[in-house]
Amino acid sequence: AQSVTQLDSQVPVFEEAPVELRCNYSSSVSVYLFWYVQYPNQGLQLLLKYLSGSTLVESINGFEAEFNKSQTSFHLRKPSVHISDTAEYFCAVSDSGGSNYKLTFGKGTLLTVNP
Amino acid sequence: GAVVSQHPSRVICKSGTSVKIECRSLDFQATTMFWYRQFPKQSLMLMATSNEGSKATYEQGVEKDKFLINHASLTLSTLTVTSAHPEDSSFYICSASLQLVSEQFFGPGTRLTVL
Repeated sequence: AQSVTQLDSQVPVFEEAPVELRCNYSSSVSVYLFWYVQYPNQGLQLLLKYLSGSTLVESINGFEAEFNKSQTSFHLRKPSVHISDTAEYFCAVSDSGGSNYKLTFGKGTLLTVNP
Repeated sequence: GAVVSQHPSRVICKSGTSVKIECRSLDFQATTMFWYRQFPKQSLMLMATSNEGSKATYEQGVEKDKFLINHASLTLSTLTVTSAHPEDSSFYICSASLQLVSEQFFGPGTRLTVL
């Protein structure tokens, strides 16, 4: 069984400040890791993912996450946030050896960027 | 590419009626489709996993007779909420995965309100 813990349910920050959203996972098998973003009343959009290779992955809008196997973490960071980054962020994990890529989600972190 | 649509986006129905929600993969053939339920300010809860042409696999605690899932083709899955009650009001999100692509692609969600 897998589990995902997002340590912060809410993170308020000011515009242009750096932010880190924390994610830890638990799994007995090798995993794929994902960050999804959800805007109000919308579905989920993939922000970035780690499947293999470089442990640092980046998104097109300035977010990055680093896979740390020893600490079983996949924290999301952005050096300077915008108001438009306000959204709910979900960390998720799937079994890399699975055949249907079933996801286990964390409870989400609401990022609120204030002017 | 990899677009998933849901219809309707919003539905309001009376208690006791049945509601069908469609999930379509628009530009790819989905090996597997997933149905999630999301309560306000909470994470996604996987309800069931379905593969084309076979019976859906329901998660523990999800009533299969109440939430009927049909996956008739590689591009269409439907979720029917039978004899809906106010407690079934929720945001329902589907996703689809593509063989050999290690991620799920999410639909925009359907807001169900049962009066």
